[in-house]
Amino acid sequence: EVLLVESGGVVVQPGGSLRLSCAASGFTFDDYTMHWVRQAPGKGLEWVSLISWDGGSTNYADSVKGRFTVSRDNSKNSLYLQMNSLRTEDTALYYCVNEHWGDGYFDLWGRGTLVTVSS
Amino acid sequence: EIVLTQSPGTLSLSPGERATLSCRASQSVSNNYLAWYQQKPGQAPRLLIHGASSRATGIPDRFSGSGSGTDFTLTISRLEPEDFAVYYCQQYDSSPPYTFGQGTKLEIK
Repeated sequence: EVLLVESGGVVVQPGGSLRLSCAASGFTFDDYTMHWVRQAPGKGLEWVSLISWDGGSTNYADSVKGRFTVSRDNSKNSLYLQMNSLRTEDTALYYCVNEHWGDGYFDLWGRGTLVTVSS
Repeated sequence: EIVLTQSPGTLSLSPGERATLSCRASQSVSNNYLAWYQQKPGQAPRLLIHGASSRATGIPDRFSGSGSGTDFTLTISRLEPEDFAVYYCQQYDSSPPYTFGQGTKLEIK
C-alpha cells in the first residue's frame, strides 16, 4: 500500500522549534520530489516547501523562508521539516505530499500532523 | 505569483443535480497546468483532475474539468451524496510557489 505518514506535531510556544517527519512506504521514495502543504484550522491549503528527489534543490513559500528547512533521507524513505522561530500563524495541519513524476500536481497526501503555536 | 479565485464560495445543490465550480487565475496558466482536489471533513485532499481536464486514476466520469488561459471549470454531472465536500483548484504553471484557490464548499440543499 502506498502511504505517507506524518508525525511530530505538538503544541509549542511562539519562538519555539519543531521537527516534523514523514515516513513513506509502498513506492520508490527517491524517484519523487516531495512537498509540505499546510492548512490552518478552518482555512484553505497553502503550499509550504519542496525538495527535489536527491535533496539538491529546495524551495519555500515567502511566509516560511528563512525559518523552515526541508530535508530528506532517502535511505530511510523519510522527509523532514525543521521549523524554527515559530509564530501563531504557523498553526496548521501539515501534510506531506508526493508530486506526480515532476509534473507539479499532488497525487498522494498523508493524513497530516497538527502543529499548534500558542503560549 | 498566480492568484486563483474560486466561485462561488458555497454552492447549495441537491443530489442528482449538476454542479459547476469556477476557478479564475490572475494571469494565464500555460499548458493548462491546473489541478482540482476534493477534501472531505477530517480527510486529506484527493486529486480529481490534472492538466485542467484529465481525470486522476479511479475518479468517476461524472467529474470533468475544462477551460484554458485564466478560466477553468470543474463540473460534476449528477451529484452523488459522497460528492458534497470542499473543492480546491491549484496551479503548477508558474511555480514555485504552487498556489491554491480559496475553495468552494459544495453543500446539500
